[in-house]
Amino acid sequence: AQTVTQSQPEMSVQEAETVTLSCTYDTSESDYYLFWYKQPPSRQMILVIRQEAYKQQNATENRFSVNFQKAAKSFSLKISDSQLGDAAMYFCAYKVPEYGNKLVFGAGTILRVKS
Amino acid sequence: DGGITQSPKYLFRKEGQNVTLSCEQNLNHDAMYWYRQDPGQGLRLIYYSQIVNDFQKGDIAEGYSVSREKKESFPLTVTSAQKNPTAFYLCASSRGHLYGYTFGSGTRLTVV
Repeated sequence: AQTVTQSQPEMSVQEAETVTLSCTYDTSESDYYLFWYKQPPSRQMILVIRQEAYKQQNATENRFSVNFQKAAKSFSLKISDSQLGDAAMYFCAYKVPEYGNKLVFGAGTILRVKS
Repeated sequence: DGGITQSPKYLFRKEGQNVTLSCEQNLNHDAMYWYRQDPGQGLRLIYYSQIVNDFQKGDIAEGYSVSREKKESFPLTVTSAQKNPTAFYLCASSRGHLYGYTFGSGTRLTVV
């Protein structure tokens, strides 16, 4: 079974500090795509960042970056210079094109930002 | 602006009734998906459709049904066979395997 594990149910960070959210996944496929989604209190799902498994370079989007360790099947999200608007539930997800492009989600990590 | 519209935002259902959740997209995406979200759990896939007139069961399809008669529309029916339907339902679409999903704003279904 394909699974995604987010081992941190909740995390807190001080405004302007850096925080890292953990994610591990389990797949035997070599071709897959990894994603981090943000769900603020409005419950709208927002794509934060994505990573192609065949690319060794870690993806970055402004203050958001990932640490992709393919051999360890690890895909952590680093948020730099945290802002109050970053407070949300964060979901890690991946999909395998061969399996119908279905996104498999982790249980999520609640991120709280303290001012 | 292109996007996905889910309606209604809130829906109340009496036990034993079927209800249908609407999902419409104008993004010209081929693939559409329905997920269920419960507290403390991630999103779980109910049904998905990669092309018009075709759909597949996801991980928790029991008690649900879908149709895909038009590219733009992918309605979800929650039947009386679904024993615990109270949840938040999210619809999504995708333009291909290289891309993530675009999500609607969700429907909160409550059984009363």
